[in-house]
Amino acid sequence: GAVVSQHPSWVICKSGTSVKIECRSLDFQATTMFWYRQFPKQSLMLMATSNEGSKATYEQGVEKDKFLINHASLTLSTLTVTSAHPEDSSFYICSASDRAAYEQYFGPGTRLTVT
Amino acid sequence: GNSVTQMEGPVTLSEEAFLTINCTYTATGYPSLFWYVQYPGEGLQLLLKATKADDKGSNKGFEATYRKETTSFHLEKGSVQVSDSAVYFCALSDRHSGGSNYKLTFGKGTLLTVNP
Repeated sequence: GAVVSQHPSWVICKSGTSVKIECRSLDFQATTMFWYRQFPKQSLMLMATSNEGSKATYEQGVEKDKFLINHASLTLSTLTVTSAHPEDSSFYICSASDRAAYEQYFGPGTRLTVT
Repeated sequence: GNSVTQMEGPVTLSEEAFLTINCTYTATGYPSLFWYVQYPGEGLQLLLKATKADDKGSNKGFEATYRKETTSFHLEKGSVQVSDSAVYFCALSDRHSGGSNYKLTFGKGTLLTVNP
């Protein structure tokens, strides 16, 4: 149980375009979802926390107009990187939490390359 | 605020060697402690967890004991295998942080390489 999927696993886009990454909880209802960014050989940096039906809470220094997060249902959250630039290239990982379990279950990650 | 400090490595061991990765934490409230493992090119997998003092988490031969007196959660394995090569992250979740109940604080990760 507690499986989280991400789609796509790898995406290449051109500079200036937008790309959407999906995060789904497959076998539980995720009241809270988290989006992380991971640079090579570094730890995870929390970008934002989203609760179903509410606006996301962004961490300090994360541009909310650039990284649009939507948590429209208890099983789906999306991260849209708008007007992507090469510096946005990174590994994006989502996680989901069921309040009853209070721990996070991680997706496999999405590698974004902006050319 | 909360913080996690773990040995940064990299750690290189021979197969069947003993492994210890140190992790200490600072937290308000009563945190839960976790070890996650990340294999190359993949997301994080929960390795083990402990939710209260003196709890021992264990999985796949790995163990860690929640030591409140030393604020530590060191990861150990008696005999590592080549397949254990990965990055290991220590993390805490503070259950009493109000609106951020499930916010995880990660250490910087420790790269483990096990040679045959």
